[in-house]
Amino acid sequence: DTEVTQTPKHLVMGMTNKKSLKCEQHMGHRAMYWYKQKAKKPPELMFVYSYEKLSINESVPSRFSPECPNSSLLNLHLHALQPEDSALYLCASSQAGQGKGEQYFGPGTRLTVT
Amino acid sequence: GEDVEQSLFLSVREGDSSVINCTYTDSSSTYLYWYKQEPGAGLQLLTYIFSNMDMKQDQRLTVLLNKKDKHLSLRIADTQTGDSAIYFCAWGGKLIFGQGTELSVKP
Repeated sequence: DTEVTQTPKHLVMGMTNKKSLKCEQHMGHRAMYWYKQKAKKPPELMFVYSYEKLSINESVPSRFSPECPNSSLLNLHLHALQPEDSALYLCASSQAGQGKGEQYFGPGTRLTVT
Repeated sequence: GEDVEQSLFLSVREGDSSVINCTYTDSSSTYLYWYKQEPGAGLQLLTYIFSNMDMKQDQRLTVLLNKKDKHLSLRIADTQTGDSAIYFCAWGGKLIFGQGTELSVKP
């Protein structure tokens, strides 16, 4: 099983809303990632959790707040977003800590900020 | 630097072979990957190659790695309409992606 699941599939939110994106994997992977992707562009790394600890924050604005409650779950809390934050948000996981082994991606959450 | 470059667009006829190219500048990583992204979907890992290999074949896919020229290619044999997608090469533990090549397969 190489499945990473993400919910919701689509999300529309206003600039004053608070929402959360969820990601789950049951492959026993110890690194999990959040990426942001604009249409027809490569994914851009946002955050990396390795062994449930935040190991990389790619200078992401504080309106994005990641959380890793356990080794299978990864959340991205959203607050006071801007229209330019509209994008596909992808979660990924890899086996043995950040940077080790191939990454498996979820289907993404398509976020629209109005 | 860690730039990865790809040509942006490729159009082929069904049944032909497709070759997608990627040029990179940083050779310090152990693995190089190819990902496929269909419209509205996430990224699917297609294949990967170790940096100490020159070639890897997996069914219709052939990956060639030229370390001297820092050039990676993905060949898809007998290309089908279902192969239409964006293909990204990627490099390194932190996954630096190329710009992506949009493959269009015409019947």
